[in-house]
Amino acid sequence: GENVGLHLPTLSVQEGDNSIINCAYSNSASDYFIWYKQESGKGPQFIIDIRSNMDKRQGQRVTVLLNKTVKHLSLQIAATQPGDSAVYFCAERLNTGGFKTIFGAGTRLFVKA
Amino acid sequence: GAGVSQTPSNKVTEKGKYVELRCDPISGHTALYWYRQSLGQGPEFLIYFQGTGAADDSGLPNDRFFAVRPEGSVSTLKIQRTERGDSAVYLCASSLGEGNTIYFGEGSWLTVV
Repeated sequence: GENVGLHLPTLSVQEGDNSIINCAYSNSASDYFIWYKQESGKGPQFIIDIRSNMDKRQGQRVTVLLNKTVKHLSLQIAATQPGDSAVYFCAERLNTGGFKTIFGAGTRLFVKA
Repeated sequence: GAGVSQTPSNKVTEKGKYVELRCDPISGHTALYWYRQSLGQGPEFLIYFQGTGAADDSGLPNDRFFAVRPEGSVSTLKIQRTERGDSAVYLCASSLGEGNTIYFGEGSWLTVV
């Protein structure tokens, strides 16, 4: 994935507002996409997934949108809460004979109380 | 336990030493994955197992890195002649089957001094 070193893209939102985190993926062979949340000192935590035959999927307070034409994925978080502050990663699963899942560089979300 | 378990949680070793990191996947999960994560970056794929066999080891950086899963459950990541550049969090994950969502452990923090 892209190497952004210590300078992760950052999104800062007010508590209660909606958040949109974007991700571009690179492989046309990817058939499955996942969003993960990672808090400091912890492993990535599954949030929501979507298969390539869908363009939208909703969970509790989260929605994932997939645009295969431009290879773009987004995560929308409704009514963002302080506990949503974390780094968010999109991941794509390559379906090229195996099932390797690769991650993007991540976006840091800050929620201001 | 219910989740992926990794030991040790922290390891400090001297340059040139040999290190083993252990992963105990979620019970019943047949696929197991190893990733490496440096500060400020997304998880970098190393290797994944389906059962006892390595289905894809294309992410192992060089021949100092090796992983085994002899009985199709617990896996060990082995690093020989450690270098300072090996310092990172080593994440293990598992999934019910090869194409299913992967769930992560909390990681093993390796520091090579």
